[in-house]
Amino acid sequence: AQTVTQSQPEMSVQEAETVTLSCTYDTSESDYYLFWYKQPPSRQMILVIRQEAYKQQNATENRFSVNFQKAAKSFSLKISDSQLGDAAMYFCAYLRSGPGGTSYGKLTFGQGTILTVHP
Amino acid sequence: DGGITQSPKYLFRKEGQNVTLSCEQNLNHDAMYWYRQDPGQGLRLIYYSQIVNDFQKGDIAEGYSVSREKKESFPLTVTSAQKNPTAFYLCASSMRGRTLKQETQYFGPGTRLLVL
Repeated sequence: AQTVTQSQPEMSVQEAETVTLSCTYDTSESDYYLFWYKQPPSRQMILVIRQEAYKQQNATENRFSVNFQKAAKSFSLKISDSQLGDAAMYFCAYLRSGPGGTSYGKLTFGQGTILTVHP
Repeated sequence: DGGITQSPKYLFRKEGQNVTLSCEQNLNHDAMYWYRQDPGQGLRLIYYSQIVNDFQKGDIAEGYSVSREKKESFPLTVTSAQKNPTAFYLCASSMRGRTLKQETQYFGPGTRLLVL
């Protein structure tokens, strides 16, 4: 079974600084998708960034970028120029890819990292 | 606006009572999912449905039931057999296909279920 581990229960960063959240996963599959979701106090899960395992290039979305190391099974999230609105719980998630790229539907989540942003 | 709606926002259940959580989407997504989140933890999959009139159990289906009579709707019933139902319930949907974009799941605002 696939597992996702976020080893940092809590992280903090100063506004305008950069922070990196760690995520490792365990799988025997070669094709899969990886995601970072953000859960603010409202508790709605919001997609931050996503990556396909077969793509070597790291995904970027504005101030958010990932460092995807397939061999190491690592998928860390870097937040640049941190803003107060970035404060939330961040979840790393894994989705197994099936034949032809279709998934088996089940997102496997890590335990989450609470990010605090200090003004 | 396209999106996923869940109702109610808060729900209270009495002992021995069945309750139903609503999830509706107007994104024309084929697949829908129900997840449970306990305090300080990640989400766990309860049930999912890839097409109308078909659904599969997730990791923690015991004590729950679902139906998928319409593409837009995927209600979750928490039965009296679920002994520890207090949690935050999130519904999600995705297009389903062969690309990362199609397989990305988007979430509703959630329903908080409390036992009286």
